[in-house]
Amino acid sequence: QVQLVQSGTDVKRPGASVKVSCKASGYVFIDYCICWMRQARGQGLEWMGCIGPNNGITDYAQNLRGRVTMTADTSTTTAYMELRSLTFDDTAIYYCAKGLDSDRLDVFDIWGQGTRVTVSS
Amino acid sequence: QSALTQPASLSESPGQSITISCTATSSDVGSFDFVSWYKHLPGRDPKLVIFDVFSRPSGVSPRFSGSKSGNTASLTISGLQADDEADYYCSSYSATSILVFGGGTKVTVL
Repeated sequence: QVQLVQSGTDVKRPGASVKVSCKASGYVFIDYCICWMRQARGQGLEWMGCIGPNNGITDYAQNLRGRVTMTADTSTTTAYMELRSLTFDDTAIYYCAKGLDSDRLDVFDIWGQGTRVTVSS
Repeated sequence: QSALTQPASLSESPGQSITISCTATSSDVGSFDFVSWYKHLPGRDPKLVIFDVFSRPSGVSPRFSGSKSGNTASLTISGLQADDEADYYCSSYSATSILVFGGGTKVTVL
């Protein structure tokens, strides 16, 4: 069964960092990109960026460059998304998702269950 | 403001058809050939129902169909059922942002 299982709920102070994990199973991890999206309360989905696990190449949304880092550990088939200098606006549910095909960054057939990150003082 | 505009909400009775539009407001989406649609229930992971404008993933009901005319893509759900009630998001490849999403459409089955 192909699935992505994410880490649990997290609460952070403004200015802190958060690192969300996404454990992949049921498919060849290095063959498909992993992308990250988020959804703030009452808002739509926002694409954050992607990583190719086979080569570690990343592409980030312009508004997050400098604050976000995506990595992938092929030995544990786990992808990570770290977001730094958190503000209240970063409060959201964060999702990882698997590319539909090996060369697709724009369509996803499997999503993680979501990780709620709350930024609170 | 999203580069893709969707109606905020739509409602229809069971058994009827409903069409959700997704209009590109930016030329960044190019020929608009890489449009996908996701069904999203609050608290659940999004589910892909249409990709590349009109392709349906295996396992998705044929009641879901996609189309495009000019800069507007559409998702049609025919034979509406209670469990079709959800938020639906379109997305498109973008030259500047890789991927952009619409604001989402809440579908209510009356």
